[in-house]
This record gives sequence, C-alpha cells and structure tokens, in this order.
Amino acid sequence: VQLVESGGGLVQPGGSLRLSCGASGFTLSTYDMHWVRQGPGKGLEWVSLMGIVGDTDYLDSVKGRFTVSRDNAKNSLFLQMNSLRAGDTAVYYCARDGHPFDIWGRGTMVIVSP
Amino acid sequence: QVVLTQSPSASASLGASVKLTCTLNSGHTIYAIAWHQQQPEKGPRFLMRVNSDGSHSKGDGIPDRFSGSSSGADRYLTISSLQSEDEADYYCQTWGTGFWVFGGGTRVTVL
Repeated sequence: VQLVESGGGLVQPGGSLRLSCGASGFTLSTYDMHWVRQGPGKGLEWVSLMGIVGDTDYLDSVKGRFTVSRDNAKNSLFLQMNSLRAGDTAVYYCARDGHPFDIWGRGTMVIVSP
Repeated sequence: QVVLTQSPSASASLGASVKLTCTLNSGHTIYAIAWHQQQPEKGPRFLMRVNSDGSHSKGDGIPDRFSGSSSGADRYLTISSLQSEDEADYYCQTWGTGFWVFGGGTRVTVL
C-alpha cells in the first residue's frame, strides 16, 4: 500500500502547477483522499479533500485557486494549483483517510518564487 | 472550532521513556485523535489512533514500545525504550464533519 506524489517544482508567482498522487495496493476511489502541505520549518496544514462520492472541500486560502480531481482508471489523485503565491511554498503530501489519515506519500516540493 | 495543543519539544535519554501530550480545547474533549511521526526529511507516518476512553489502535508495523492513552482533554503518546530513530517530529490530528486539524507538533530529541 503506497502513495507517490509528483509534479512539484519551481514556479513564478501567478503561475500554475499540477500535482499527481498515484496509489498502489488499494483502490483510491474507495477512500476519502486529502492533500496536506508543510511550509518550510512549519507544521502540517490540511489543504483539500476528494471524497468518495466526488465531494470536494478546500482550505479557505486556496479556494478558487486550487482544484482537486481524481482519475479512477489511473488510480490517481490530482491537485491543480493556479495563481500560486509565495505562501503556497511547501511540500505537498497526499494522504488516505482511513479515519484517521493512515497512509501518507513522501511528498513533492512546490517553490513559488520570482 | 477544534484546536489541538502540543508542547514544541521534548527530550529523553536513549533507552528511557517519553510521554507526549496533545490537548483538545474546551467543548471538544471527546474527540479521538491520531498520532503521526515525521522523521527528518521524510513524509509523515501514521502511528495510532487514541480514543477518548484511552483505547488505541496502531498502524501496521508500529512497535509495541509506542502506546497511547487518554485523560479528559489530553491524549498521550508514550514511547518506551527510546531509540535513535525515534528522534522525530510528532503530530496529533483530529477530524470531524468538514474539518481536519493538526496540532503544532512536538520535536523529540534523543539524548
């Protein structure tokens, strides 16, 4: 059972990135799935939910800029991040919600800088 | 709004024990929490869920020297027989309808 994130990188303020999270060993669509981020030297911060039935939710500061989606055929979760800001700089983790979060990925780093 | 409070740091000698505390704010003292370990430069790892009655359920492969307990608004993680690889940040987490909250984390140093 594993989650692997990818897609991070260096982007200028106002730019976009699409993060991916591939699942193995379980069917991603049968769990609520989340994105969690960790800024440099900071703690964990919940970012978004993709629910089993396709419901979504977001941290207030990313609403309207980030969009979470899922591809069942690819057993993958995505996070489309637009209008990126310096404050979005962080390592982004995907996590499986087994009530509580019971499987985490290794993370992918996003750096927003001129 | 649920708030989880953790001490920023804790330390103990190699082979000793350390007890970490996660405190739920007033009005939310019945919530279960989870403990997650984050070793340096790694992603978090689920350790266990701790319920308000003190019962706990551990993740796969978590050693017996990790245990959980509860008292009132406090949820505890006890690490016995400390090993060098236990030097890490430990986060508590709780959840409910429409919210997922983390504590600020406790950095454990093995002396």
